[in-house]
Amino acid sequence: AQTVTQSQPEMSVQEAETVTLSCTYDTSESDYYLFWYKQPPSRQMILVIRQEAYKQQNATENRFSVNFQKAAKSFSLKISDSQLGDAAMYFCAYRGRFNNNDMRFGAGTRLTVKP
Amino acid sequence: EPEVTQTPSHQVTQMGQEVILRCVPISNHLYFYWYRQILGQKVEFLVSFYNNEISEKSEIFDDQFSVERPDGSNFTLKIRSTKLEDSAMYFCATSPGRGQYRNQPQHFGDGTRLSIL
Repeated sequence: AQTVTQSQPEMSVQEAETVTLSCTYDTSESDYYLFWYKQPPSRQMILVIRQEAYKQQNATENRFSVNFQKAAKSFSLKISDSQLGDAAMYFCAYRGRFNNNDMRFGAGTRLTVKP
Repeated sequence: EPEVTQTPSHQVTQMGQEVILRCVPISNHLYFYWYRQILGQKVEFLVSFYNNEISEKSEIFDDQFSVERPDGSNFTLKIRSTKLEDSAMYFCATSPGRGQYRNQPQHFGDGTRLSIL
């Protein structure tokens, strides 16, 4: 079974600085997708970024980028130029590519942004 | 951008009562999911639904839970006899799921906060 581990329950960053959130996963599948979701206090689930495992290039979306290390099964999220609105819970998630099955979520990292 | 719509946003129910949570998927999506998030905990998969039947379910999805798409529009989650531990945020998610759209992420609704008294 696939598992997703986020080892940092809480992180904090100074506004305008950079922070990296860690995620590791375990799978026997060869191809899959990885996602980072943001959950603000309103508790919506907002897709931040996704990575297709067969692509070597790390995904980037504006201030958000990932460091995808397939061999190490690591998928960290880097937030550059942090803003107060980035404060939220961040969940790493995994989904196998060939089945439209469920997503497996990590336990989340609560990010605090200090002004 | 099309959205997944969930109603109600907040449901308060007495223990032992039945509750129905509703979701309107994005119109061309074929795969539907329910997830649960107990306060302070991670998001957990409950069930996936395709072609009018359950395709996968977790151990959480026991006999008190059921899903259906009664009118081809709403996708509902029914909890037959609610328990205190059913209090949680329930998220509906949908995805296109076929062919060239197979790699599209699941789109989440804003969730229904269920409070069991």
